[in-house]
Amino acid sequence: ETGVTQTPRHLVMGMTNKKSLKCEQHLGHNAMYWYKQSAKKPLELMFVYNFKEQTENNSVPSRFSPECPNSSHLFLHLHTLQPEDSALYLCASSQDSGTYLAKNIQYFGAGTRLSVL
Amino acid sequence: KNEVEQSPQNLTAQEGEFITINCSYSVGISALHWLQQHPGGGIVSLFMLSSGKKKHGRLIATINIQEKHSSLHITASHPRDSAVYICAVQPNTGNQFYFGTGTSLTVIP
Repeated sequence: ETGVTQTPRHLVMGMTNKKSLKCEQHLGHNAMYWYKQSAKKPLELMFVYNFKEQTENNSVPSRFSPECPNSSHLFLHLHTLQPEDSALYLCASSQDSGTYLAKNIQYFGAGTRLSVL
Repeated sequence: KNEVEQSPQNLTAQEGEFITINCSYSVGISALHWLQQHPGGGIVSLFMLSSGKKKHGRLIATINIQEKHSSLHITASHPRDSAVYICAVQPNTGNQFYFGTGTSLTVIP
């Protein structure tokens, strides 16, 4: 148990559906991240939130919409996805998102396995 | 080309063997991380290194900043060590992490 919980663990959706992924951390961290992991590819950073403010949007298509209502919760809203969006979506948190600090060791959730049909 | 390269991609070992996983990177970094990803997806941070060597139980991680290279060693490997091991680096500038594609380790009893 890493202290970062993601729900659901598995999600199957059609291309016209709207769904949301949820991430919750109980570690008192200020930074939260969304990553995409596709088969045989490195982890891809999607979004970074620090103190509820988005600090990084890594050229992610607008069909992915993040929301961070507070430092403990992070959502990823999905709509009109494509089959190539099928992947493992991982949430992580760290005490801070600053580059030079040891405080940004990231703790990962178990991920949501998304299949887009 | 990926900023972080790992080798080997896949590794099968007999229980008890000494295992080495290598990571090379091409950017100046402030720190390097070794992560372990279990079947099913969950990722655990094993080490964060900026120089030298760290040891935790049967795991040892080393880094050579001049050569831009790090190794993760597992002594007396066990089937429960079977996982994907991922190398990640924090570059000197920006908030981005760069990740390797991972090394899939299977330890056979």
